[in-house]
Amino acid sequence: AQKVTQAQTEISVVEKEDVTLDCVYETRDTTYYLFWYKQPPSGELVFLIRRNSFDEQNEISGRYSWNFQKSTSSFNFTITASQVVDSAVYFCALSEARRGAQKLVFGQGTRLTINP
Amino acid sequence: DVKVTQSSRYLVKRTGEKVFLECVQDMDHENMFWYRQDPGLGLRLIYFSYDVKMKEKGDIPEGYSVSREKKERFSLILESASTNQTSMYLCASSAWGETGNTIYFGEGSWLTVV
Repeated sequence: AQKVTQAQTEISVVEKEDVTLDCVYETRDTTYYLFWYKQPPSGELVFLIRRNSFDEQNEISGRYSWNFQKSTSSFNFTITASQVVDSAVYFCALSEARRGAQKLVFGQGTRLTINP
Repeated sequence: DVKVTQSSRYLVKRTGEKVFLECVQDMDHENMFWYRQDPGLGLRLIYFSYDVKMKEKGDIPEGYSVSREKKERFSLILESASTNQTSMYLCASSAWGETGNTIYFGEGSWLTVV
């Protein structure tokens, strides 16, 4: 069975600090997708990134970066120079990579608070 | 941009009422999903559908049913609402293709059953 663990329930930092959100997953599939979503107070889940299990390259998008390490089954998310607008709940998720089986399995989420 | 629209943002219903939560997507996606989100329990899959008139149970289907008569619309039905179904409900859709299976979510429907 698939499982995603986000061990950090809540993180609070001061603005401009760097912060890393951890994500560890379990799956027996050799091909799968990993995701990060952001949920601001409004409630909508905003897609941030998708990563194919074959692609272990790290990715950077502005202040956001993701570190995918298959050897440790981790897909960590780092925000550099955090801002108050980054305050949200962040979810890591996993899905199979075959048609008709694309349901997401979510971690419990990490509530990130950026204090001014 | 992908748009997933949930018909009601906030609902208050009475115990025993039949409740319909509607979801429409405008990107011709084949897959649609209903999740519920509860504090401490995260997001849990209720039902999903990978084609018109097809449905599959998720992790917590009890007390719910779904309908997918048209590709763009996926309805969640609470046959007889109970207080333990008070929650936020999130609809999502995705397509299978070169870009993989990015799943897009609606804004959520906050349901209170009294």
